[in-house]
Amino acid sequence: DQQVKQNSPSLSVQEGRISILNCDYTNSMFDYFLWYKKYPAEGPTFLISISSIKDKNEDGRFTVFLNKSAKHLSLHIVPSQPGDSAVYFCAASAAGGGADGLTFGKGTHLIIQP
Amino acid sequence: DAGITQSPRHKVTETGTPVTLRCHQTENHRYMYWYRQDPGHGLRLIHYSYGVKDTDKGEVSDGYSVSRSKTEDFLLTLESATSSQTSVYFCAISDFQGPYGYTFGSGTRLTVV
Repeated sequence: DQQVKQNSPSLSVQEGRISILNCDYTNSMFDYFLWYKKYPAEGPTFLISISSIKDKNEDGRFTVFLNKSAKHLSLHIVPSQPGDSAVYFCAASAAGGGADGLTFGKGTHLIIQP
Repeated sequence: DAGITQSPRHKVTETGTPVTLRCHQTENHRYMYWYRQDPGHGLRLIHYSYGVKDTDKGEVSDGYSVSRSKTEDFLLTLESATSSQTSVYFCAISDFQGPYGYTFGSGTRLTVV
């Protein structure tokens, strides 16, 4: 039973435009959400996170929005750059802070077209 | 980059043989994790450790065991490798009880033939 869902396996966006990656979750105990970025042959790298007490967190070109009632979060990248082409994983942790591990989605492959 | 290294980076092994993957950190982080990444599945937790000699199972622990005899090393052992364990394995570390961005290693690509 998949608790974190990324329903778009891939997304193609033109350079300079906005990229919007979506993530849905089913476990109401999740209270902290993260996005990771992964290049081929490398480990995932932490990108941005958001606590359930917030509905928005911004870091430079990256903004994460959380809609708790809909159990939905999204990552906005604006403007999109060629180096943003990667696989993006949504992850979540339940109360306890994630010490017992994060639950990841399947990932979305973002392709930035020149 | 954080001091976390995985070895080997690539390994091919035969079905039925035991295999041990190593994760070594120089950050003195308390928490360490083993994940596997497979197409269509994302990252799935195998085992994790919350201190020396303290480990627990994750979502996909069957066929795997772990050991942590010192803070810096977390070993993952496939007791009798099967083709279904062909995967990319990632180790991650965290310095306190919070999901404030685990740091991942570069991965080990394991092929079981």
